[in-house]
Amino acid sequence: DTAVSQTPKYLVTQMGNDKSIKCEQNLGHDTMYWYKQDSKKFLKIMFSYNNKELIINETVPNRFSPKSPDKAHLNLHINSLELGDSAVYFCASSQDWGTGRNEQFFGPGTRLTVL
Amino acid sequence: AQSVTQLGSHVSVSEGALVLLRCNYSSSVPPYLFWYVQYPNQGLQLLLKYTSAATLVKGINGFEAEFKKSETSFHLTKPSAHMSDAAEYFCAVSEGGYSTLTFGKGTMLLVSP
Repeated sequence: DTAVSQTPKYLVTQMGNDKSIKCEQNLGHDTMYWYKQDSKKFLKIMFSYNNKELIINETVPNRFSPKSPDKAHLNLHINSLELGDSAVYFCASSQDWGTGRNEQFFGPGTRLTVL
Repeated sequence: AQSVTQLGSHVSVSEGALVLLRCNYSSSVPPYLFWYVQYPNQGLQLLLKYTSAATLVKGINGFEAEFKKSETSFHLTKPSAHMSDAAEYFCAVSEGGYSTLTFGKGTMLLVSP
């Protein structure tokens, strides 16, 4: 059973379009994250959610809107896609927010290409 | 603010040779430290973590890392490289009380026969 799953795995779209990426975890974790990995493989946190509430928003453009309908799901909607949004987006989860010692479990990633 | 520096964007070793991937951190509080591995076109997988217990941490696939507070380092080692170890390796830090990870820029490990 996949612990953290993402759909779709690949997403190719035109500039200006709106797209969504879905994430689900079956680990019973309270905290979920979105990361962006750029073409140089650099990973940067975008959002953190704990118990469906937004905890961290790391100066991400407001074209990016995460939504957590329940603790097991964290979706990412992107409006008006730009060329610079092309990247691999990773969802992750951890047991809780407050300790810092719990490892994060990562999904397989969604490769977004904006043409 | 926390930060991580990984020395060397690429490290090349021969199969059977020692693997050493360097990681230095900066943190205003005692840190938690992690090494993750990313195989091509896959997500990240935890290799090992330091959470203030033993300073020498053993992980999966024969890897280990030693936390050295005086050197603010958490270098990853493996005595004998295998072809299947070829991947991107990321060091990450979180500060006590917060689960947000700050990643280094990654080191690509290349293993030649």
